[in-house]
Parts: sequence; C-alpha cells; structure tokens
Amino acid sequence: RKEVEQDPGPFNVPEGATVAFNCTYSNSASQSFFWYRQDCRKEPKLLMSVYSSGNEDGRFTAQLNRASQYISLLIRDSKLSDSATYLCVVRNQAGTALIFGKGTTLSVSS
Amino acid sequence: EPEVTQTPSHQVTQMGQEVILRCVPISNHLYFYWYRQILGQKVEFLVSFYNNEISEKSEIFDDQFSVERPDGSNFTLKIRSTKLEDSAMYFCASIGESYNEQFFGPGTRLTVL
Repeated sequence: RKEVEQDPGPFNVPEGATVAFNCTYSNSASQSFFWYRQDCRKEPKLLMSVYSSGNEDGRFTAQLNRASQYISLLIRDSKLSDSATYLCVVRNQAGTALIFGKGTTLSVSS
Repeated sequence: EPEVTQTPSHQVTQMGQEVILRCVPISNHLYFYWYRQILGQKVEFLVSFYNNEISEKSEIFDDQFSVERPDGSNFTLKIRSTKLEDSAMYFCASIGESYNEQFFGPGTRLTVL
C-alpha cells in the first residue's frame, strides 16, 4: 500500500466553484500533516498544516481524521490563481522526512 | 524573507560523470534535506542531515550519493557516477526549531545524457 495516496485528478472547475481533495495515509503513527502546493516545475510550498480539530485559512479548510487516516482540503470560491498541484504530505516524527503523495492537479478556468 | 537557495538551476552532464548540487539553507535552521522529483512523479525523500551527520536516508540514497556541509552555510549533494535515471529535479529543504514548515529551495534540474 502506498504511504500517501491521492486522487491525481485533474479537477477542472470554473471560477467560484468549491472543490475538495482527499488523501489517505498508511502509517497510523504519523504525527504531522500538511498540504503543500506545487506550481509547474517549481518547488513545493506549504499551503497549510492540518490539525486534528480541523483548521481554516481564508478560503481553504483542512480536516484530519486520525481514525480513518484520512486528510481533506476544501477550497471555496476558486480563483484562477488556485490552479496548481496540491500535495498531501505526512511526517512521522519531528525533524524527519516528509512523505509526499503524488498530488492532485487543479485547473480553474474563467 | 529568508529563503533556501540552490545552484545551479539546471545542470546537464554525461552519464558516468560526477555532479555536485549546492544549497544554502536558511541560516538558523537545524535540519537539512535533499529530495528529488522525477518528471511526472512524486517528490521523494533522499536524505536528512543534522548536527553534521546523516540522520536518515532512503533506499534511493545509495553509495553513489553523498552529502556534505563543508562550511557554515553550504549543503551539498554529490552524485559520484551519474546514471540516466538520476535525471530529476533535486530540491534542498531546511527546517528550524519549530519542526513545522520545511522550506524548499527552487531546485536544480539535473539532466543526464
């Protein structure tokens, strides 16, 4: 079983749409969870950390379900600039390696 | 805002040649990392470095690879004898005491011919 699995997409949505991405991870001992964003041929950049209670940052909402080993990202009111690949990322211990999913591609059109 | 820098941005080499990829992590960070991303594939961890030694490495990081922090600022990845399958984007990253966000450099695109 892959360590971090994501639906690769692509998700093609119009501006203003709400879109949700899902992710599952295999290691129940995982400690930290993140969503990174990667633009074409660029480095990954942290979008947001994911906390057990769920957290929101503007139009972005992240949820974590430890029992199901499931992470989600909701984007409301999509903008053209949201077009990118969204990477689900897990870390098993502080200071150690990040484990990346393959990413979900989002394309927002006008 | 502090950032991780990497040089060169693009390196082309012949199979069998040695390459050294360079990174300057954020100055007060403690852990340093190398990742690679083959075109169209996921980002993969290679190695982490803490307190002047390797703290963790993946199966990809075999004897052909080595890392070094030759001075107080640079962090290098050496590939001793490059193979075609080493062609990838190589990202350096660093993290501070918060152990939260890993900051990634812009990457070096390595092309092995």
